[in-house]
Amino acid sequence: GAVVSQHPSRVICKSGTSVKIECRSLDFQATTMFWYRQFPKQSLMLMATSNEGSKATYEQGVEKDKFLINHASLTLSTLTVTSAHPEDSSFYICSAQGDRGSTDTQYFGPGTRLTVL
Amino acid sequence: GQNIDQPTEMTATEGAIVQINCTYQTSGFNGLFWYQQHAGEAPTFLSYNVLDGLEEKGRFSSFLSRSKGYSYLLLKELQMKDSASYLCAVRDGSGGGADGLTFGKGTHLIIQP
Repeated sequence: GAVVSQHPSRVICKSGTSVKIECRSLDFQATTMFWYRQFPKQSLMLMATSNEGSKATYEQGVEKDKFLINHASLTLSTLTVTSAHPEDSSFYICSAQGDRGSTDTQYFGPGTRLTVL
Repeated sequence: GQNIDQPTEMTATEGAIVQINCTYQTSGFNGLFWYQQHAGEAPTFLSYNVLDGLEEKGRFSSFLSRSKGYSYLLLKELQMKDSASYLCAVRDGSGGGADGLTFGKGTHLIIQP
């Protein structure tokens, strides 16, 4: 299957700081990447759809000014959590859709565990 | 709205077979996915169904009935390492093919010796 990496895997930061998470598709080009968030013992919730070369599409209730997404190339999308607060502590996971169009599956990165003190 | 239901927890015996059901009600449909997730890790892809019928892949099979809004994941010859959460997810297809997935809450499968 396709490989998606995320960096960092774990980050601890102070309240008020910003944190950038990178998501890369290693062996395929991903026009579209997705960012999810998962709180403990809950399911994954889609935050936003990241499109290469255009603005991200955010799900209802997700603040676009707080969660900045940049999809600068076909293999890299970044999520920046700005002015992080303890309630932003969560498991952030990206996925990339394969390059076979709408019938292709989504492959998940290993996730980034964010802890805001 | 989107609604995906699956049992919260199931228990099965090593070597046996288990079926995990998933029902969904979504505004559109462009595929149903099953993922396995171990605690603290990201989901790993198991199967994808977009047409009705059974897809078999080794010890894992997945079935879809679009008219009934129903899918199941079948795991055979269960091993202890199969203890994990199994997530049912639907792509609703309203975004021109590039759609995020809507996940069920996951079924926590416990395998006993």
